[in-house]
Amino acid sequence: DAKTTQPPSMDCAEGRAANLPCNHSTISGNEYVYWYRQIHSQGPQYIIHGLKNNETNEMASLIITEDRKSSTLILPHATLRDTAVYYCIVRAPYGGATNKLIFGTGTLLAVQP
Amino acid sequence: NAGVTQTPKFRILKIGQSMTLQCTQDMNHNYMYWYRQDPGMGLKLIYYSVGAGITDKGEVPNGYNVSRSTTEDFPLRLELAAPSQTSVYFCASSLAGASYEQYFGPGTRLTVT
Repeated sequence: DAKTTQPPSMDCAEGRAANLPCNHSTISGNEYVYWYRQIHSQGPQYIIHGLKNNETNEMASLIITEDRKSSTLILPHATLRDTAVYYCIVRAPYGGATNKLIFGTGTLLAVQP
Repeated sequence: NAGVTQTPKFRILKIGQSMTLQCTQDMNHNYMYWYRQDPGMGLKLIYYSVGAGITDKGEVPNGYNVSRSTTEDFPLRLELAAPSQTSVYFCASSLAGASYEQYFGPGTRLTVT
């Protein structure tokens, strides 16, 4: 699985959009980009994933560059409850051991009132 | 659905003791996983299972054992607990394939003294 690089921390004002970047320059053509978050002391929570196209769901939007070497997770209107560590994970599409998630240290997003 | 449940929430063990961490999911997922998370770090895969009767090692299996006699349950056994096993343990489950997200339990905080 390709390695990802994320900034260790970011701040965002409440109500504003939070844009979390992720670099995955060694991504393979069949690898998905996943985003999870972990609110303090809780289990990780799935947010969104994508392969090539931009994706949007009720929680966030995922923008993947055309060369797929980087992506941005967008929380359109951040709230205090969005304060968490956000993990960007690249993963191959097969089952078994390659179905595992490789977590780095993520980005700590602090939403300020 | 309760999702993924884990018991106990907290446990303190003495060095050399043994215990079993319980994990149950009610989503009929084939895949189940055990991760550990040390302070300030991302999650690391201990063991995983692709179905009842099938288990395999992850990145950090030493000191642990698992079994999968049913689709719902995936207990993690610690034999001869050591201080290095002090961590938060998360169980997760998913459908097969990388396009399916993993659902995590609330975690078990284990301290070995």
